[in-house]
Amino acid sequence: AQSVTQLDSQVPVFEEAPVELRCNYSSSVSVYLFWYVQYPNQGLQLLLKYLSGSTLVKGINGFEAEFNKSQTSFHLRKPSVHISDTAEYFCAVRRRSGGSYIPTFGRGTSLIVHP
Amino acid sequence: GAVVSQHPSWVICKSGTSVKIECRSLDFQATTMFWYRQFPKQSLMLMATSNEGSKATYEQGVEKDKFLINHASLTLSTLTVTSAHPEDSSFYICSAPLAGATGELFFGEGSRLTVL
Repeated sequence: AQSVTQLDSQVPVFEEAPVELRCNYSSSVSVYLFWYVQYPNQGLQLLLKYLSGSTLVKGINGFEAEFNKSQTSFHLRKPSVHISDTAEYFCAVRRRSGGSYIPTFGRGTSLIVHP
Repeated sequence: GAVVSQHPSWVICKSGTSVKIECRSLDFQATTMFWYRQFPKQSLMLMATSNEGSKATYEQGVEKDKFLINHASLTLSTLTVTSAHPEDSSFYICSAPLAGATGELFFGEGSRLTVL
């Protein structure tokens, strides 16, 4: 079975400060990991994904994440946040169901950027 | 990138009526689509997997007769909430995987249902 734990339900930060959103996963097999962002009353957008290769993954909007197999983590980082980064962020692990691959989502972390 | 569109974005209905939500893949074909339900400040709960040309696969605890799913074509899946009650009020999101992509999903904008 696979599960995803997002340790922080809410992360407040000031504009231009760095931020890290934590994600840990549990899985008995190789995993593919994703971070999605959700703005109010909208669907989810893919920020970045780790499938294989380099453990440091760069995504859109200046975000990056590092896959750490030994710590089973996939933390999301940004060196300098903007007000517009205020949103809900979801970490996800892919699981196979039949012929499809369905992400299992963490509970989400609300990033709140203050001016 | 690929686009998935949901309609309507907002819907308000009276208790006891049925509501249909459409999910379309605009520039790619999707043999599979996923329907999620999201409660305020919570994660996405997978309700069912919609399969083109066959019956949907429902997750445990989701009422099949309550949430009717039809995948009529390679670009359209519909979710019908039958005999809606206030507790069905929620944010419903569909998503579709791009064929050949490794687990990547594209999400619709979501549909907020309010049952009075």
